[in-house]
Amino acid sequence: NAGVTQTPKFQVLKTGQSMTLQCAQDMNHNSMYWYRQDPGMGLRLIYYSASEGTTDKGEVPNGYNVSRLNKREFSLRLESAAPSQTSVYFCASTETGTGIQPQHFGDGTRLSIL
Amino acid sequence: QKEVEQDPGPLSVPEGAIVSLNCTYSNSAFQYFMWYRQYSRKGPELLMYTYSSGNKEDGRFTAQVDKSSKYISLFIRDSQPSDSATYLCAMLTGNNRKLIWGLGTSLAVNP
Repeated sequence: NAGVTQTPKFQVLKTGQSMTLQCAQDMNHNSMYWYRQDPGMGLRLIYYSASEGTTDKGEVPNGYNVSRLNKREFSLRLESAAPSQTSVYFCASTETGTGIQPQHFGDGTRLSIL
Repeated sequence: QKEVEQDPGPLSVPEGAIVSLNCTYSNSAFQYFMWYRQYSRKGPELLMYTYSSGNKEDGRFTAQVDKSSKYISLFIRDSQPSDSATYLCAMLTGNNRKLIWGLGTSLAVNP
């Protein structure tokens, strides 16, 4: 059972380049999330998708776009990368419903922008 | 002021010690309280959760919530080197499905 798979694991970009981070989950979860994690800042929500066909902004959406391609896949796009976007990016998914629904995380994409 | 405050540490203890990790929060609407563990170069994974106030025990781990003080704790008994990780607290209101995260506390358990 793969859980949440993120690709690529590492990437180095030059300022101004674009790229798409891929995320896929095989747990049939409705909700998916993109976070960035930076030292001293913790986990910050970029975008989330409560269900297939919907996306909403999180805490730090500027400079990013997302696509919920289908129930399994949720991609994050940097149109014009900036050094401030150097970070570790995590994708997560969860089932919806009452009570606690744990978020399941991938192992992250480490992105450096020069 | 952040909604959830957590001392990032680092915390270093000898093997076998009792570890206490803590978070404070300001939003009285939080109802669900979680602890995630994150190993180096991995994503966070849910360790324990509690609903409302009280204690919950799972093996060597105990989660405690004091809603009157807006304070949550995670205790690790007989700590092991394999417990070395970053521990993040996270909270939810009943209606909002977006987790509010602490910064995480880095823990090293030395053999």
